[in-house]
Amino acid sequence: SQELEQSPQSLIVQEGKNLTINCTSSKTLYGLYWYKQKYGEGLIFLMMLQKGGEEKSHEKITAKLDEKKQQSSLHITASQPSHAGIYLCGADSGTASKLTFGTGTRLQVTL
Amino acid sequence: GAVVSQHPSRVICKSGTSVKIECRSLDFQATTMFWYRQFPKQSLMLMATSNEGSKATYEQGVEKDKFLINHASLTLSTLTVTSAHPEDSSFYICSARDPGTSGYYNEQFFGPGTRLTVL
Repeated sequence: SQELEQSPQSLIVQEGKNLTINCTSSKTLYGLYWYKQKYGEGLIFLMMLQKGGEEKSHEKITAKLDEKKQQSSLHITASQPSHAGIYLCGADSGTASKLTFGTGTRLQVTL
Repeated sequence: GAVVSQHPSRVICKSGTSVKIECRSLDFQATTMFWYRQFPKQSLMLMATSNEGSKATYEQGVEKDKFLINHASLTLSTLTVTSAHPEDSSFYICSARDPGTSGYYNEQFFGPGTRLTVL
């Protein structure tokens, strides 16, 4: 079965600082999804990456999928308190369209 | 984007009772819905895949008689936790695929979750 490891597990950054979250897969990624979750709430879709080398940006968040399609990174520029939450990567295994989720990264943004 | 709702958002019940959680796709028809369970400070664990008009597919280690899933229509799936015990206390989240999105890699839309506490 596919496993997704995220690093770091938790992160505290000062407002205005940049940060990067990594997601590494044990198998080739056919589709990689990034979600954000606030504690006790559902998941908010951020971005989806499919092709090796693909990069997408939305506002201050950029996600990349490496050429070998086994690792993705999520980069936040000039972090704000609104970026705080849990970031989860999810992988489409290519069969039955089930998503396997990463271990999660808890982000806190201090003033 | 597509909207998925869950009801109730919170439920507290006594040990031994059954609890039903509803998951609805509000503006699209979902042939497939997924049920996840999340423990505090942990990731989401897929419990089962709910298919409209057929039996759910359960992940390894999930008791199908304990967690009954019914996907009676294209917009509604229900998860019933039968004879609930304190160890069933958790955050349950559903998601639905929107077949209207292009390509094979269908995006999933998540409900806001249901927090179950069994006393």
